[in-house]
Amino acid sequence: DAGVIQSPRHEVTEMGQEVTLRCKPISGHDYLFWYRQTMMRGLELLIYFNNNVPIDDSGMPEDRFSAKMPNASFSTLKIQPSEPRDSAVYFCASSLARGTGMSYTFGSGTRLTVV
Amino acid sequence: EDKVVQSPLSLVVHEGDTVTLNCSYEVTNFRSLLWYKQEKKAPTFLFMLTSSGIEKKSGRLSSILDKKELFSILNITATQTGDSAIYLCAVSQAGTALIFGKGTTLSVSS
Repeated sequence: DAGVIQSPRHEVTEMGQEVTLRCKPISGHDYLFWYRQTMMRGLELLIYFNNNVPIDDSGMPEDRFSAKMPNASFSTLKIQPSEPRDSAVYFCASSLARGTGMSYTFGSGTRLTVV
Repeated sequence: EDKVVQSPLSLVVHEGDTVTLNCSYEVTNFRSLLWYKQEKKAPTFLFMLTSSGIEKKSGRLSSILDKKELFSILNITATQTGDSAIYLCAVSQAGTALIFGKGTTLSVSS
C-alpha cells in the first residue's frame, strides 16, 4: 500500500496565481480530509468528503479556496488567486471512519509558499 | 466554540529527562482523544483514549485521559534525541472530523 499520495511536495508561486494541490487517498477509504498547518494556527480542517461528497466545508477560508473529489481515488484543492497568507503545509488524509482517528492516514503534505 | 489547547507550546530537555505534555479540550459530543507524533512530515498515530483513568502505554510513552476535568497528558520517560518532534493532540467528536491542538514542539538535546 503506497499510502496517501500528495503532489506536488513543494510549490512556490507568485501572488495572484492559481495553485492546485492533489491527493490520492488509500484505496477503500471512504473519507478524505484536507487540513492546513501553520505555526500560528496549527492543523486546521478545511473540508472533508464522504464517498466523494463534500460533507463539511466550513473550514474553507474564503471563496478563493475550492475542493473537488471527482472519484474515489482523486481529490484537488485549488486556490485562486493565491495570497501570501495562504503559505502553509497542506495535508490530505484518508480514513475508513470519520470519528475514530485511529484510521486517519496522512499524506506527506504540500508545502506552499506564495511570494 | 470547540477547542483543543496544548501546553507547553515548546519544550527543550536533555536526553534522559522525563517530560509531560498537556492537552485540555472543550468540545461537544466527545468520543475520544488521540495523540500523534509529527516529525518532518506527516503526523503518525500514537494513542487513542476513550475512557478516564486507563493508561495507554507504548515503550517509554504513556498517556491517560481525565474526562471529568477534560484533559489528557502524554508522558515520555528517559527521552532520546529521536523523540524530538511535534506532538499533536486531537479530539474526535460525533458527527465531524478530528479537531487538533496547535501541538507541542519537543527538542531533546544530547
